Amino acid sequence: GAVVSQHPSWVICKSGTSVKIECRSLDFQATTMFWYRQFPKQSLMLMATSNEGSKATYEQGVEKDKFLINHASLTLSTLTVTSAHPEDSSFYICSASEENIQYFGAGTRLSVL
Amino acid sequence: GQQLNQSPQSMFIQEGEDVSMNCTSSSIFNTWLWYKQDPGEGPVLLIALYKAGELTSNGRLTAQFGITRKDSFLNISASIPSDVGIYFCAATSNTGNQFYFGTGTSLTVIP
Repeated sequence: GAVVSQHPSWVICKSGTSVKIECRSLDFQATTMFWYRQFPKQSLMLMATSNEGSKATYEQGVEKDKFLINHASLTLSTLTVTSAHPEDSSFYICSASEENIQYFGAGTRLSVL
Repeated sequence: GQQLNQSPQSMFIQEGEDVSMNCTSSSIFNTWLWYKQDPGEGPVLLIALYKAGELTSNGRLTAQFGITRKDSFLNISASIPSDVGIYFCAATSNTGNQFYFGTGTSLTVIP
């Protein structure tokens, strides 16, 4: 199956700093990528849909200025958590779709001190 | 966004037992997917279903796309300890740009 690489897998940062997470489709081109947030023992919560060459579509309640998404190429989407605070600590997962299937990255655990 | 109705929420079973979980929706979908997520990892695709009535196996796993296109089930036969994890169903329509997920089934296998 298709492979999606997500980096970094774990990041610890100080409150107020910004963190960038990368999501790459390694062996296919993805016009659409998705960013999720997951709290412990809960399902995936869609944050935004990232479309190559255009603005991301954010879900209700997700601050677009807080979670900046850039999908500059068919194989790369980035999520930047700006001015991170402890409440932003979470598990973030990206995915890319190909032929009606979503392939997920391994996730990024963000810890904001 | 919309979520699929997935049940059961959690299961505790003895090693060797069979497991069954299902997802239902009020909407019709063209693709049903089943994923497994281990702690601290992203979901991994187990089975993809594309046609109503389709029954597909992957080793000890078997999944079916419901005839009404509004439901799907996943069976795991002869469970083993490494089956432990959270299983998610997902569904999408033709565009593949919008996916809906179940709330997950947490499986614990007791050796």
